[in-house]
Amino acid sequence: KAGVTQTPRYLIKTRGQQVTLSCSPISGHRSVSWYQQTPGQGLQFLFEYFSETQRNKGNFPGRFSGRQFSNSRSEMNVSTLELGDSALYLCASSSGQKDTQYFGPGTRLTVL
Amino acid sequence: EDQVTQSPEALRLQEGESSSLNCSYTVSGLRGLFWYRQDPGKGPEFLFTLYSAGEEKEKERLKATLTKKESFLHITAPKPEDSATYLCAVHDYKLSFGAGTTVTVRA
Repeated sequence: KAGVTQTPRYLIKTRGQQVTLSCSPISGHRSVSWYQQTPGQGLQFLFEYFSETQRNKGNFPGRFSGRQFSNSRSEMNVSTLELGDSALYLCASSSGQKDTQYFGPGTRLTVL
Repeated sequence: EDQVTQSPEALRLQEGESSSLNCSYTVSGLRGLFWYRQDPGKGPEFLFTLYSAGEEKEKERLKATLTKKESFLHITAPKPEDSATYLCAVHDYKLSFGAGTTVTVRA
């Protein structure tokens, strides 16, 4: 089975721009979660989608949003980028909410 | 709020020198404790899931154990390829991660 894929792998943006990241889960997985990883804060939960519905959301501002499509692929969007948004954004998929989450390789976002 | 604390922050080992990593947690109802391995610039790679106190799981040179308040990841006779950051996480509606232990194994 193919693993979780994320595109693009690297992005460089400037402050004020917006960005969209994409995640394709493992085939058959319906739950997709997004995490932000930074050296200072570690891995922090952004949100989780299941069957196109956002089930849970972490403590991030409204500039961070996401969606899930009928084929379980998910996108996350960050608007009005700030320097502090520079991070590795990780997507994880699982069969259900309480099952093991498998991570993709991440998208490295740099905001200049 | 779930809390996960890992120690030590960093561990330098000689090849073949066994050691243990600690993960202590505070959670209202444990629905699973997970161990992941992460190499620099890559996503976390799943290692183990533990659900109840007393449970143990093994994979090659790694063995994970669980008590009511903490989990240990034992590395037996490590090799340089075991160098990585090891993360533990507890599962509620999301994964709450510890800061990780960075293990460096010298040949």
